Amino acid sequence: RKEVEQDPGPFNVPEGATVAFNCTYSNSASQSFFWYRQDCRKEPKLLMSVYSSGNEDGRFTAQLNRASQYISLLIRDSKLSDSATYLCVVRGRGGSQGNLIFGKGTKLSVKP
Amino acid sequence: SAVISQKPSRDICQRGTSLTIQCQVDSQVTMMFWYRQQPGQSLTLIATANQGSEATYESGFVIDKFPISRPNLTFSTLTVSNMSPEDSSIYLCSVGSDLSYGYTFGSGTRLTVV
Repeated sequence: RKEVEQDPGPFNVPEGATVAFNCTYSNSASQSFFWYRQDCRKEPKLLMSVYSSGNEDGRFTAQLNRASQYISLLIRDSKLSDSATYLCVVRGRGGSQGNLIFGKGTKLSVKP
Repeated sequence: SAVISQKPSRDICQRGTSLTIQCQVDSQVTMMFWYRQQPGQSLTLIATANQGSEATYESGFVIDKFPISRPNLTFSTLTVSNMSPEDSSIYLCSVGSDLSYGYTFGSGTRLTVV
């Protein structure tokens, strides 16, 4: 089983749609969780951290379920500018404490 | 967040040669890392660049192939040695100051080995 798994997509949605991405991770000792966004031919950029209580940033909502080792990202009222690849990222623990482990990403394409 | 300058942004190199990639940060940072992103793949950690000591390499990566320097808290280099076409990839440096937060990435170096 891969350490971080995501549905690769692509997700093709119209503007204004709500879209949800899911991610699972294999290491139950993982400490921190993030969603990154990567535009084509660009570096990844931190979108938001993910907390057990769930957190929201504008149109974006992230959820973490530690028992199920499951992370989600919900995007409401999609914009054309949301088109990108969304990377689920998990930080290890112990010897790999500093290591960010990346999923392959889920590609989102928002159409007019 | 820290601002990272990574150079070169891209290069085309002959097999058997070496390329050194530089990462300069505008502030002192505790942690610096080097990642690789192969086409269609997720990012993979190559090593943690330790200031004043040898880098810590991940499984599958060795110092002879990817020597790393980190002379101070704002600068690091990664060398890709004796390159082969399989080394064609994007190489990214990444920095962080707090384990609670995600990391910032440089803009990447797109390497093509011919």
